Amino acid sequence: GDSVTQMEGPVTLSEEAFLTINCTYTATGYPSLFWYVQYPGEGLQLLLKATKADDKGSNKGFEATYRKETTSFHLEKGSVQVSDSAVYFCALEGSTLGRLYFGRGTQLTVWP
Amino acid sequence: GAGVSQSPSNKVTEKGKDVELRCDPISGHTALYWYRQSLGQGLEFLIYFQGNSAPDKSGLPSDRFSAERTGGSVSTLTIQRTQQEDSAVYLCASSLSTGARTYEQYFGPGTRLTVT
Repeated sequence: GDSVTQMEGPVTLSEEAFLTINCTYTATGYPSLFWYVQYPGEGLQLLLKATKADDKGSNKGFEATYRKETTSFHLEKGSVQVSDSAVYFCALEGSTLGRLYFGRGTQLTVWP
Repeated sequence: GAGVSQSPSNKVTEKGKDVELRCDPISGHTALYWYRQSLGQGLEFLIYFQGNSAPDKSGLPSDRFSAERTGGSVSTLTIQRTQQEDSAVYLCASSLSTGARTYEQYFGPGTRLTVT
């Protein structure tokens, strides 16, 4: 069945460091891929998405490229800020429309 | 406009009691989803309503869980005879949907359920 595996946290970085959070998936067909973010005390928000192979989603300095050959959708940011501290979830929408499969989430803490 | 709202924000109940959790989706969104976020299981899909179609209930963990959506808007998730393993944050989301594709899901703040 469809599933998502993302790197375990927590991840702790200094401001301006480079961030990578790994995400791989298992799915039949051609899923859509997402990164959601949950800031402290807030609800889940869509950060970026990609709907087909080789698409790059980007938002707020974050990027992720849909790699079908490696079944991956790693999240990257070149220079993190304290305000990026949050929990990040990788997700996919597979053959069942509307149903999202989430990874376990990765807690990111950025120190000044 | 207003986002997805959920009530109550926190609920503490005794084992064996029934609970009802409410979700008000964004106006005009035809699709509504319930998820559960727990320490042991991460974020799990529970149920999906799309317009007037029969809901996708495939994620409900047991027959103690049920949900309804009245008038294509407000939804209630009911858990009967609650157990301690039901303790979790219950998230509701809504989106536009044409039936052929879905759009971004907007999440509510969640209801934190604690079963004692």
